[in-house]
Amino acid sequence: DVKVTQSSRYLVKRTGEKVFLECVQDMDHENMFWYRQDPGLGLRLIYFSYDVKMKEKGDIPEGYSVSREKKERFSLILESASTNQTSMYLCASSHTDRGTGELFFGEGSRLTVL
Amino acid sequence: AQSVTQLGSHVSVSEGALVLLRCNYSSSVPPYLFWYVQYPNQGLQLLLKYTSAATLVKGINGFEAEFKKSETSFHLTKPSAHMSDAAEYFCAAISGGYNKLIFGAGTRLAVHP
Repeated sequence: DVKVTQSSRYLVKRTGEKVFLECVQDMDHENMFWYRQDPGLGLRLIYFSYDVKMKEKGDIPEGYSVSREKKERFSLILESASTNQTSMYLCASSHTDRGTGELFFGEGSRLTVL
Repeated sequence: AQSVTQLGSHVSVSEGALVLLRCNYSSSVPPYLFWYVQYPNQGLQLLLKYTSAATLVKGINGFEAEFKKSETSFHLTKPSAHMSDAAEYFCAAISGGYNKLIFGAGTRLAVHP
């Protein structure tokens, strides 16, 4: 069974803390994505990676960075968490082949910043 | 630029009634369109996708969607709602390379007895 695993389902952090959200996929997918989900806004792309050590900004990259040192792992980093980063974060992965469009999602990490 | 609009943030239907969730897209090129479902406290899973083949696409759990180019629409339907269909539904389109998807704002479907 294919799987995208996000390390933490729920996190509570304080303003200014550095936060790491980890995501691992076991499908040998080239592409990995971090989305943020907020009510009424749907999912918005933060960053994505199409290969090891390669990354590109999505629509809302400000305040975030990412790391992809191994093909199966994609980390989202909040250098200095702020209350407006309280949200649900979803990791996804896919093959490169254009048009398949099927993203496989993790169960999400709900982050609360106090 | 590609965009996806879902009409209606909340839809409520009776069990056994028709489900209709609306999605419109804007694109200057033939789109690849998708519907995803999110059950409570879970990630998203693919319901169905349109990739320029048949305009009527059948998906899992009895859902289907029809691509209408003239209306730039890709509405999701199910003839008879079940309680287990209660979830949030997202319409999405490929935007750019690497299978990047842009999503609509989502529609929460409630099914009542």
